[in-house]
Amino acid sequence: DTAVSQTPKYLVTQMGNDKSIKCEQNLGHDTMYWYKQDSKKFLKIMFSYNNKELIINETVPNRFSPKSPDKAHLNLHINSLELGDSAVYFCASSLPAGELFFGEGSRLTVL
Amino acid sequence: DAKTTQPNSMESNEEEPVHLPCNHSTISGTDYIHWYRQLPSQGPEYVIHGLTSNVNNRMASLAIAEDRKSSTLILHRATLRDAAVYYCILRWGNTPLVFGKGTRLSVIA
Repeated sequence: DTAVSQTPKYLVTQMGNDKSIKCEQNLGHDTMYWYKQDSKKFLKIMFSYNNKELIINETVPNRFSPKSPDKAHLNLHINSLELGDSAVYFCASSLPAGELFFGEGSRLTVL
Repeated sequence: DAKTTQPNSMESNEEEPVHLPCNHSTISGTDYIHWYRQLPSQGPEYVIHGLTSNVNNRMASLAIAEDRKSSTLILHRATLRDAAVYYCILRWGNTPLVFGKGTRLSVIA
């Protein structure tokens, strides 16, 4: 039973399209995160949510909008996709100050 | 942000111990030292963390210098499955993990 699951695992789309990546965790955690790993393999925090409320929003373009319908879900919606958005996006969850559990990643390719 | 310095890459023979160093000279008193690793094509996974005392778990040991300005992750017997990028991260409270470049560990059979 996967603890943190992301869908889709792979996404190929054209520039200018809008797409979403979904994340669900079944660990009962309060905090969820989105990270981006670019082609140079740097992992950067994008958003942090605690109990459905946005806690941290790093310098991410407002084309990226996270949505948390409940504590177990944190979805990432991206408008007007650009070539530079191509990356692997990782969702994670944790208890307060606890270890982070990461999903397997969603590889987004923008053509 | 507190930062860490790690070697870009290290190599180890299979079934030998591996010592992965990390320098964090600007660590503050409330920073915990965390280690995560990322296996190829997977998300990062937690390895171990500590504050002041050395820590052991089923995956590894963490040796923390007395002045806390450096630490070492010890894999007691490296296996091929341990080939990964290892990240040493300072974390205060419930703040998100801030990843650096990490150390790419290669394990030779």
